[in-house]
Amino acid sequence: QVQLQESGPGLVKPSQTLSLTCSVSGGSISSSGYYWSWIRQHPGKGLEWIGYIYYTGTTFYSPSLNSRASISVDTSKNHFSLELTSVTAADTAVYYCASVVGVSGSALDPWGQGTLVTVSS
Amino acid sequence: SSELTQDPIVSVALGQTVRITCQGDSLRSYYASWYQQKPGQAPVLVFYDNNNRPSGIPDRFSGSSSGNTASLTITGAQAEDEADYYCNSRDRSGYLLLFGGGTKLTVL
Repeated sequence: QVQLQESGPGLVKPSQTLSLTCSVSGGSISSSGYYWSWIRQHPGKGLEWIGYIYYTGTTFYSPSLNSRASISVDTSKNHFSLELTSVTAADTAVYYCASVVGVSGSALDPWGQGTLVTVSS
Repeated sequence: SSELTQDPIVSVALGQTVRITCQGDSLRSYYASWYQQKPGQAPVLVFYDNNNRPSGIPDRFSGSSSGNTASLTITGAQAEDEADYYCNSRDRSGYLLLFGGGTKLTVL
């Protein structure tokens, strides 16, 4: 049973770069057919897809982030990471990582527990 | 349109059947997935790819799709089903993912 766990700073200053890591256990991040995704949820709001990466390194991102997001994978450490540049208070959110499964390539399961990132000076 | 639209609030009497819908142009081409999120918890996948229910999800949860509308049906709603429900799918390009705005389900 694959499990995911987010880690990273809970507080980031405005204009700096938010960096999070999602550790994958119980399975290989190099498993064929799996995409690995980041999603966020602003306080009291709905879910927002950030992007995903295939183990080969192919990435896709939500255009709403204006090219500020970058997702990478480290197969040797069995984890994948998110960097979000030039953060503002609007980037304060709970950040989740998840695996993309299913033939449609849109089902997200499982999810990490989420990590709250606050952008503040 | 590159959006998925959900009714913000839906209520159901205990033990009755409720349908939560998700509308969007991309649903004509791609399956929807459905998630349940309770306060302070991560979302949980409850139905996906038109006919798949993850292990551990009660069989009272089912999904369907017609045209540009996907539906999650809870047959015999229980008190523990009170939660926020989100749909997601691919966008019309097929490369990106979308989420609906979410539906808050109240079990009366």
